[in-house]
Amino acid sequence: NAGVTQTPKFQVLKTGQSMTLQCAQDMNHEYMSWYRQDPGMGLRLIHYSVGAGITDQGEVPNGYNVSRSTTEDFPLRLLSAAPSQTSVYFCASGKGLAVDTQYFGPGTRLTVL
Amino acid sequence: GENVEQHPSTLSVQEGDSAVIKCTYSDSASNYFPWYKQELGKRPQLIIDIRSNVGEKKDQRIAVTLNKTAKHFSLHITETQPEDSAVYFCAASYNDYKLSFGAGTTVTVRA
Repeated sequence: NAGVTQTPKFQVLKTGQSMTLQCAQDMNHEYMSWYRQDPGMGLRLIHYSVGAGITDQGEVPNGYNVSRSTTEDFPLRLLSAAPSQTSVYFCASGKGLAVDTQYFGPGTRLTVL
Repeated sequence: GENVEQHPSTLSVQEGDSAVIKCTYSDSASNYFPWYKQELGKRPQLIIDIRSNVGEKKDQRIAVTLNKTAKHFSLHITETQPEDSAVYFCAASYNDYKLSFGAGTTVTVRA
């Protein structure tokens, strides 16, 4: 099993550009989530999903969209990138519907100029 | 939402000594409390977790204690080794589907 995979590893954007961060898991997990990690602030939940077709907002959802068309994939879209979105983004998945052990992907380091 | 505070932000210990990290949470309905370890440049990985119906849990050199009344939980690492050097994050669940993380503790084990 590959576990949780994320692409790209690194990305540089200009202010106002849009892009999609990809996340996939091969563990048949229903629960998937996106976090951003900033120095001194831990991990903050952006959006999560408890199954295909079901998504909801986390702690810091503004400026981000998600969709869940399959169990395996959970892409995160930045609509109009801003310097404040410079961060490391982690995707995670978990068994069950409620939050439980989270298996994190390797992360995407995003810089917005 | 849930507010999780974590102390200390940095911790330096001599190899073989114990390390203790403490977290407090605000939502009395929180029922799941995991701890994650993140090595430099790597992804966070679960090291131990506890649910609200349990007061203490141990796994070899690592233990977690939970005080629901005081709304705090702690991570204890005994006989620390150089490979324990990392950033440790506590977290608390809220609304069943969300995790709120503490800001992290950087642990350095001195040889």
